[in-house]
Amino acid sequence: GESVGLHLPTLSVQEGDNSIINCAYSNSASDYFIWYKQESGKGPQFIIDIRSNMDKRQGQRVTVLLNKTVKHLSLQIAATQPGDSAVYFCAEIWDSGNTPLVFGKGTRLSVIA
Amino acid sequence: GAVVSQHPSRVICKSGTSVKIECRSLDFQATTMFWYRQFPKQSLMLMATSNEGSKATYEQGVEKDKFLINHASLTLSTLTVTSAHPEDSSFYICSARDLRRIREKLFFGSGTQLSVL
Repeated sequence: GESVGLHLPTLSVQEGDNSIINCAYSNSASDYFIWYKQESGKGPQFIIDIRSNMDKRQGQRVTVLLNKTVKHLSLQIAATQPGDSAVYFCAEIWDSGNTPLVFGKGTRLSVIA
Repeated sequence: GAVVSQHPSRVICKSGTSVKIECRSLDFQATTMFWYRQFPKQSLMLMATSNEGSKATYEQGVEKDKFLINHASLTLSTLTVTSAHPEDSSFYICSARDLRRIREKLFFGSGTQLSVL
């Protein structure tokens, strides 16, 4: 289940189940979106990206969905594994300009073996 | 392998001292680099945009005299935390953009954990 802690919400899933992590972005002008995985004490690791002219993109075990109408992104992880346990951030950017990446609040994924 | 190198990975210092963090793009030139700060259990917050050959652009609430940024070459940006205090303890991460790429062009350093005693 999902719970909202003091800062990062936590999503707990059973190993082998599918995970869905949601994110709301803020800037209607953003045209490039990225999901990152961050393990403790490390920098963000690229998972998958999507441009605003698409609404779905699939990678290996991961799928990103984009709903521009409600400014919503989701990351789906199939057959979640213990190694997927980490904090996941969505990020948005107006790629046409050399602007910085803006990160969402993040979700901690906890995989129960 | 890493395309953005950040050093040191961890530093412990006494209150009042200054700490310099380096961020290097290894196989591409980066006219712009970004510095983020992350407190425990929180997201990455942009501190400043480092511009090669010109002044950095700081986000609202970030003291430019406190966090000195120098982007002296196309492959190196440094962040100096001056007169560090315990409240500056945080995880600092740099990012650089490889404009030659169409996708996956944003790269992050491995981060620097700063602990001020």
